[in-house]
Amino acid sequence: SQQGEEDPQALSIQEGENATMNCSYKTSINNLQWYRQNSGRGLVHLILIRSNEREKHSGRLRVTLDTSKKSSSLLITASRAADTASYFCATEDGGTSYGKLTFGQGTILTVHP
Amino acid sequence: DGGITQSPKYLFRKEGQNVTLSCEQNLNHDAMYWYRQDPGQGLRLIYYSQIVNDFQKGDIAEGYSVSREKKESFPLTVTSAQKNPTAFYLCASSPSLSGANVLTFGAGSRLTVL
Repeated sequence: SQQGEEDPQALSIQEGENATMNCSYKTSINNLQWYRQNSGRGLVHLILIRSNEREKHSGRLRVTLDTSKKSSSLLITASRAADTASYFCATEDGGTSYGKLTFGQGTILTVHP
Repeated sequence: DGGITQSPKYLFRKEGQNVTLSCEQNLNHDAMYWYRQDPGQGLRLIYYSQIVNDFQKGDIAEGYSVSREKKESFPLTVTSAQKNPTAFYLCASSPSLSGANVLTFGAGSRLTVL
């Protein structure tokens, strides 16, 4: 079953602009993660935010989590052409699904030089 | 270099044939996973394994089978019972199936049914 839904499905920006992607989910979670996938390749982990955290930074990445709205956002600042990829949120659910990740459908980001 | 190796990268199959996708990791991770990815969709969990000789069905296990005879290896067999097997298959591993479970992925295997 799909837990996360991402918005927008596709995003096209110019180099230097900021890119914001959103993820919504339905059930309670232990943590939420963001992954990146270059075309035809495997996924690479970017950042993890726990359910008791509201914001986290890693380099040019900023992730926020609002558990009351069951949503998260990923902000990439000062984007580069090399940031062109698909970005997926993944939720780690609690209960019987403990430890398993459920992925969203992804946002395709295109950064034009 | 530590990582996950999937083979083959591309595979073509005739209808009615079983095929096996290989996944090997040298990260000393306990947990391993198989995901399926279709165009425009996210990843869907096929099977996962927490320890050797043990595995559980994911969300879309029908038509697939796995084995976990060694910690390093988690091969996936796509059987003739899988009605729509053309997809991109991703293998992943993590230290354990526990909280804050970060996955390391292989490069994927693309299966096409002719």
